[in-house]
Amino acid sequence: AQKITQTQPGMFVQEKEAVTLDCTYDTSDQSYGLFWYKQPSSGEMIFLIYQGSYDEQNATEGRYSLNFQKARKSANLVISASQLGDSAMYFCAMRPISGNTGKLIFGQGTTLQVKP
Amino acid sequence: EAQVTQNPRYLITVTGKKLTVTCSQNMNHEYMSWYRQDPGLGLRQIYYSMNVEVTDKGDVPEGYKVSRKEKRNFPLILESPSPNQTSLYFCASSGLAANTGELFFGEGSRLTVL
Repeated sequence: AQKITQTQPGMFVQEKEAVTLDCTYDTSDQSYGLFWYKQPSSGEMIFLIYQGSYDEQNATEGRYSLNFQKARKSANLVISASQLGDSAMYFCAMRPISGNTGKLIFGQGTTLQVKP
Repeated sequence: EAQVTQNPRYLITVTGKKLTVTCSQNMNHEYMSWYRQDPGLGLRQIYYSMNVEVTDKGDVPEGYKVSRKEKRNFPLILESPSPNQTSLYFCASSGLAANTGELFFGEGSRLTVL
């Protein structure tokens, strides 16, 4: 079964510190995409970062980086220098090529609180 | 500006009163999809569409209908809403279904059924 697991329902981090949000995935596909989205209290889904299964290097976007360990099937999000505005729910998601449904499979999310 | 637009953003309605949530994208995307988000369950796919006049069920299609008469529009129809359809709904689009790249999301529509 294709699945995303986020084991941290909630996390706290001190402002200006780095934080890692865990994500593991399960798929038998060779081709898939991995994503992280941020959902603030206003509700919209904000795309943060993307990693393709064939990408050799870890993706980075500003303060966000994705620690991709293919053999372990993990795709952890690292946020450096946390800011108060980073407080939000974070979703890890996978888009496998199989089934041809184009579906994004989401984890249950991690709520991050940044403390001043 | 490339975007996916949903309307209404917020809606309170009563059981049984038909409603439609519209979704429009301006990126000429073939693929469009609807998700619902519920606490503790993440986002789940309701319906998707590969192209005009091609739609199919996702994981939770019961109680919903869709249509794809034009490439840019993909409305979600609740013929007889019930309280268990109270949820946050997202429309999304991308270039192709056989694609592991980014889905572009609308801003969400928060629906309450009394």
